Amino acid sequence: GQQVMQIPQYQHVQEGEDFTTYCNSSTTLSNIQWYKQRPGGHPVFLIQLVKSGEVKKQKRLTFQFGEAKKNSSLHITATQTTDVGTYFCAGRGSSNTGKLIFGQGTTLQVKP
Amino acid sequence: DAGVIQSPRHEVTEMGQEVTLRCKPISGHNSLFWYRQTMMRGLELLIYFNNNVPIDDSGMPEDRFSAKMPNASFSTLKIQPSEPRDSAVYFCASSPFVTSTDTQYFGPGTRLTVL
Repeated sequence: GQQVMQIPQYQHVQEGEDFTTYCNSSTTLSNIQWYKQRPGGHPVFLIQLVKSGEVKKQKRLTFQFGEAKKNSSLHITATQTTDVGTYFCAGRGSSNTGKLIFGQGTTLQVKP
Repeated sequence: DAGVIQSPRHEVTEMGQEVTLRCKPISGHNSLFWYRQTMMRGLELLIYFNNNVPIDDSGMPEDRFSAKMPNASFSTLKIQPSEPRDSAVYFCASSPFVTSTDTQYFGPGTRLTVL
């Protein structure tokens, strides 16, 4: 079945450093979504990428969707303590419009 | 908008007992999803409904788990009998309707501990 792999599993950075998490799918995706889960909280939608090669920015966050629509990345510039949490990518296969397959998530710790 | 509502927020029960988790989706949303989150297995989709009809239950671990959606504003996930390995956070999420670009809105989750 379809799998979405995410690396790294954990990342510790000093405040102000950059951070990147990568997401790879075993199959071509129709679109990919990114969610953030704060400690003790629930996943909250950040953004969706649909087009091949798409790049979207939200302030210090940059999201990319690969040309082959099988991989994606989230890059945070100059991390802040408010960025702490687990970032999940979630992909939708071309043949299944209802189901999101979540990656394992990358947990980001930011040292002040 | 109240968001997705789940109850209870915490449940502690003993092995063998029946557990019922409840979810009220966002009004007007036609799709509802049940997820389970553990450290070992991450976030797993258990089942999802579209217009109250179960569409994909391939993630339901075994016959001890069952889910219903009797109407558009209410769903339950039942575990009978419960086992310690069922301990996890169970999230309910809703979505406006099932298309290829829908966002899912998660509830606060129910933290289940089976002793």
